[in-house]
Formats: sequence, structure tokens, C-alpha cells
Amino acid sequence: DTGVSQDPRHKITKRGQNVTFRCDPISEHNRLYWYRQTLGQGPEFLTYFQNEAQLEKSRLLSDRFSAERPKGSFSTLEIQRTEQGDSAMYLCASSLATSGGANEQFFGPGTRLTVL
Amino acid sequence: AQKVTQAQTEISVVEKEDVTLDCVYETRDTTYYLFWYKQPPSGELVFLIRRNSFDEQNEISGRYSWNFQKSTSSFNFTITASQVVDSAVYFCALPAYSGAGSYQLTFGKGTKLSVIP
Repeated sequence: DTGVSQDPRHKITKRGQNVTFRCDPISEHNRLYWYRQTLGQGPEFLTYFQNEAQLEKSRLLSDRFSAERPKGSFSTLEIQRTEQGDSAMYLCASSLATSGGANEQFFGPGTRLTVL
Repeated sequence: AQKVTQAQTEISVVEKEDVTLDCVYETRDTTYYLFWYKQPPSGELVFLIRRNSFDEQNEISGRYSWNFQKSTSSFNFTITASQVVDSAVYFCALPAYSGAGSYQLTFGKGTKLSVIP
């Protein structure tokens, strides 16, 4: 399977705990995005990497959130001191940077976080 | 600011009926792209189509067709002869170029389509 993969698929945690999610993009894709989706809403952008550089962060990304993409391959998203409002589906997407502008983004299956 | 409106929250149709999902967008960009994604009950977003604002021709792919009208800022999606497997939430999305290389997508709230056998 050469699609985007995410791990874990589900995470249940208690308020105040730290959690970390992993995303493995399609191997040749240099653009990587994180989105968050709550029930009944469309995904909302969180952050963007081009190769290993984090170039864009949304206002939604509070200082409890941190993301990395070491060596421009997989990416991790960590949430510290989780709150119940963090409960959502966290989606990762990757795309190929070309001169053609906004190429299609391919999404992973998501990590569903539940904060008790 | 970018905005995507999908006014239809839920639609139910009987199998084999045609159905159109509406998408209205707002952007200050003179050139832009539009996307449609499908999110089946399994949860994974599936890319359906990318359309450049230069190209206003309708596009057809099997039972799917898209009608892009720049004059009304709409990019509507029609499924012909719907099937139960078409049941999903459908999202229209508009990329916003940030200047830092990012084309983050602004999504509508989605339209939940239920196809009844």
C-alpha cells in the first residue's frame, strides 16, 4: 500500500496527558499537511511542511501543539496537556510540489482522539 | 478570506435517482483551483476532482459530472443513477496559497448523501 498512513487510528486519553500521532506520507511527496476535523464539520488546516521545514501554522495550533518532520519523511503531531476540546479526528495529507500549483492532497485514514 | 459554502447539510435519494450537490465559494484570487472530496463512513477522504479556474468546461467521469460556473462562483457536483456505494459525506474545497508554498484547503461543511436501496 503506497498511500498515506497514520498511527494510531484511535487514541483515548485522559485530560492532561500528552499524546503523539504519526503520519507517513506518500514517499515522493514533499508537501505534508495536518488538519483537524470535528463532528459535522469539514477539516480545518493546522500546519504545513515542505520537506523538513514547517512553513505555515494555523491560529488553531495553540502552543500545546507541536509538529515535526525530521528528514522530510514521516511527521509527528504532539499535543501536550490534552483538553476535552482537543477531541477530534486528526488528518494528515501529502502532495507533490510541482509548477502546476495546488496539486491534489492525498489524505490518510486519520487518528481519532478522544479526551476523557 | 477564502470561504466555501455547502448549503445542503443532508440529502436522501432513492437508488438510481440523479442528485446534485451544491458548492458556492468566495475568493479574491483571480486564478484558483477547486476540489471535491468524498468521505465514506470509513472516514478516509478520497480525492475526486481538481478544477482550474481557467477551465470552465463541464467535466464528466463515469456517473460523476461537475459544473463550474465562474459567474456565480459555483462548482456543483452531480451523480447520475446514484448507487448505495455513493452514500458518503462530500466536501468541496478551495486551496489558499500562503506564499510559503502551502496550498492549505478551506473546506465546506460537507453534504451527507444517503442513497436508499
